[in-house]
Amino acid sequence: KAGVTQTPRYLIKTRGQQVTLSCSPISGHRSVSWYQQTPGQGLQFLFEYFSETQRNKGNFPGRFSGRQFSNSRSEMNVSTLELGDSALYLCASSLERGFNSPLHFGNGTRLTVT
Amino acid sequence: DQQVKQNSPSLSVQEGRISILNCDYTNSMFDYFLWYKKYPAEGPTFLISISSIKDKNEDGRFTVFLNKSAKHLSLHIVPSQPGDSAVYFCAASALGAQKLVFGQGTRLTINP
Repeated sequence: KAGVTQTPRYLIKTRGQQVTLSCSPISGHRSVSWYQQTPGQGLQFLFEYFSETQRNKGNFPGRFSGRQFSNSRSEMNVSTLELGDSALYLCASSLERGFNSPLHFGNGTRLTVT
Repeated sequence: DQQVKQNSPSLSVQEGRISILNCDYTNSMFDYFLWYKKYPAEGPTFLISISSIKDKNEDGRFTVFLNKSAKHLSLHIVPSQPGDSAVYFCAASALGAQKLVFGQGTRLTINP
């Protein structure tokens, strides 16, 4: 069974630009969540999608948005990039919504903003 | 507000000995706890979990202990192996919660 796939693996963008990251969950998984990892901050929750609807959002500005398609694939968009957005962005999937079962993570997209 | 804290950024242990990673939490509503392991350039992988109705869960070399009164959990790895060198994250959620809260991670290094 294929794992969670994130594309691209690496991205370099300039301040002010926007970026779209993609995530394909494990087949049959309907919940997709996104996390930002920066040094010293651990993993910060961005949002969770289930059945094409955003179910919960973390404490991030409106520049961070996402969506989920009918095949459960998800995209995350960051507009007007800032230097502080440089991070590893991780996508995770699970069978059902909520977080009382293990998440399965992709290998992440490393975003560098210059 | 860091609800899940891993106060040791790093830990170094000799191969074959026991590794003990600690995690504290502040939210008394948390009732499900997990440990994830992360290698460089890879996503975190699930290691072991424990529900608040238990105080211990074991899986091979890995054991997680939960002390609800102290709001503390720990991960024991016995015996430690070189392949255990990674960053370990503890995480917690509450029943019906809408997100998983992670600690900052502890980098474990196993020395031969």
